[in-house]
Amino acid sequence: AQSVTQPDIHITVSEGASLELRCNYSYGATPYLFWYVQSPGQGLQLLLKYFSGDTLVQGIKGFEAEFKRSQSSFNLRKPSVHWSDAAEYFCAVGVTGTASKLTFGTGTRLQVTL
Amino acid sequence: DTGVSQDPRHKITKRGQNVTFRCDPISEHNRLYWYRQTLGQGPEFLTYFQNEAQLEKSRLLSDRFSAERPKGSFSTLEIQRTEQGDSAMYLCASSLAGYGYTFGSGTRLTVV
Repeated sequence: AQSVTQPDIHITVSEGASLELRCNYSYGATPYLFWYVQSPGQGLQLLLKYFSGDTLVQGIKGFEAEFKRSQSSFNLRKPSVHWSDAAEYFCAVGVTGTASKLTFGTGTRLQVTL
Repeated sequence: DTGVSQDPRHKITKRGQNVTFRCDPISEHNRLYWYRQTLGQGPEFLTYFQNEAQLEKSRLLSDRFSAERPKGSFSTLEIQRTEQGDSAMYLCASSLAGYGYTFGSGTRLTVV
């Protein structure tokens, strides 16, 4: 069965510093991969997705992610973090099938210090 | 396009009571999903509708849970005889096809 691991429960970075959030997946076939962001008490907003093609994916809000098949990873990066980026970030893998279900990791909470 | 609406935003109920949540998807979206998110966890798939047909249910959806989507528009999720373990955020999402989800803001259920 598919699974997603986000090794970092909580990360703190200074505003203006670079950010990398780690995501490792386990899936037998070529995965569909996603990063979502969730602000407190809110639903999830899609940052970016990878289906195929170029392994470096650009998303909204200045985020990007790189798919590395050899490492089963899909890490999220941002060159310069803003205080408004403080939120919870979830990596997810899409399960093939008619339902297009998502399996999520446990999330990484990002704190930004000024 | 007003997004996915969920009502209520918060619900506090006593153990053993029944609760019902409503989700209004984006009008042209034919797919509707329910996910449950407990504290410190990512969302977990509960069930999926295509139009009015409920095509898949997770094993997480016990017999106390029932979901409907009459006429392929809004959906309701009912939990009967609530237990403390049902306390969670219940998220609804809709899509036109595939993985193009739009999530609602969720209903936070607290069972006391």
